[in-house]
Amino acid sequence: AQSVSQHNHHVILSEAASLELGCNYSYGGTVNLFWYVQYPGQHLQLLLKYFSGDPLVKGIKGFEAEFIKSKFSFNLRKPSVQWSDTAEYFCAVWRGSQGNLIFGKGTKLSVKP
Amino acid sequence: KAGVTQTPRYLIKTRGQQVTLSCSPISGHRSVSWYQQTPGQGLQFLFEYFSETQRNKGNFPGRFSGRQFSNSRSEMNVSTLELGDSALYLCASSLFVGDTQYFGPGTRLTVL
Repeated sequence: AQSVSQHNHHVILSEAASLELGCNYSYGGTVNLFWYVQYPGQHLQLLLKYFSGDPLVKGIKGFEAEFIKSKFSFNLRKPSVQWSDTAEYFCAVWRGSQGNLIFGKGTKLSVKP
Repeated sequence: KAGVTQTPRYLIKTRGQQVTLSCSPISGHRSVSWYQQTPGQGLQFLFEYFSETQRNKGNFPGRFSGRQFSNSRSEMNVSTLELGDSALYLCASSLFVGDTQYFGPGTRLTVL
């Protein structure tokens, strides 16, 4: 079945640790890729997106993601996390022919001060 | 610009009742999508509207329906509520289909 997979359900890190959250999708062809974040008690916000061009995209708050077409992956990275990065992170894929956004199950990130 | 707004923010209903949720997109956005968010299933796509036409529908029963008005505002309706319909219902708008979607705060529906 067509899907978006996020490898980790819950990640716990200490402040200043590096972060990498995995995202894989199973669609061929052209896709638009997104990472959204949901801070506790807040609504979903866009972190970054990839439509075309440079496969390394930079988003808000020091986050970046790399699109690797051959691996159907769009992993999210941050060199040094802060306590305020504690949130749930969602990868999402828009497949043109399907016409709707498919979300991964999300990864909860807890950052210990 | 004002963001996506959803009303009401909270709803409590009993089984068998019906409910209507409302979404006002960002000004100028013509595409509106609806999602159901639950702890077990995550974010699941309900339907998408563009220029008053339903473009796509997710895998939900016919009890779930929606519409979009000429001013791009959208409503979704759930009839004959079941306990399993308890969820956060999210609305998102975008300039056009496939563009970045901006989400509202959601409507928390509790079915007793």
